[in-house]
Amino acid sequence: QVQLVESGGGLVKPGGSLRLSCAASGFSFNDYYMNWIRQAPGKGLEWISYISSTGSTIYYANSVKGRFTISRDNSKNSLYLQMSSLTVEDTAVYYCVRGYRYYFDQWGQGTLVSVS
Amino acid sequence: SYELTQPGAVSVAPGQTARITCGGDNIGIKNVHWYQQKPGQAPVLVIYRDTNRPSGIPERFSGSKSGNTATLTISTAQAGDEAAYYCHVWDSSTAVFGAGTEVTVL
Repeated sequence: QVQLVESGGGLVKPGGSLRLSCAASGFSFNDYYMNWIRQAPGKGLEWISYISSTGSTIYYANSVKGRFTISRDNSKNSLYLQMSSLTVEDTAVYYCVRGYRYYFDQWGQGTLVSVS
Repeated sequence: SYELTQPGAVSVAPGQTARITCGGDNIGIKNVHWYQQKPGQAPVLVIYRDTNRPSGIPERFSGSKSGNTATLTISTAQAGDEAAYYCHVWDSSTAVFGAGTEVTVL
């Protein structure tokens, strides 16, 4: 079955950096575009980044543009999010999410990033 | 930036019908998708492309769209349907979510 397992979350100080990883299994990873979506404590969902199946096309939300970098390694079935210049507003659960056509059809369980 | 408007909360009696709306400019020409999120869990897709239900989602969940409003309908609501529901569209290479609607079954 499809599995998306995030890792790399934790506590970091303001201004610090963190790299999230997502290990994908149970499907042909290089056939799908991928996303990172986050959810601040008690808040709604916020899409933050998209990467196409080949990695050639990338989009970011304005809130993270210039600070976060999405990437993927199809040979390792892995998705990454490099985060820098973190602020307290970046505190959230970060979800690795598979995209199909125009919707998000599979979600990981998330990894918590706390900036304090 | 593009915005989607959802009511903050909807209450429904068990066995009755809940309707959750999602409004946005020109939403009629966009594909609208809906996600259910129960406390402590990741979201789950319940409706895609306005009206389509993924496999495993009960027929009680349906989607529709009219004018500038999309609607998620939960028929014969059950206690297990208590959750937050989010609508989603793409606008100019940006994915946009509504703020979410908390559904209470009581």
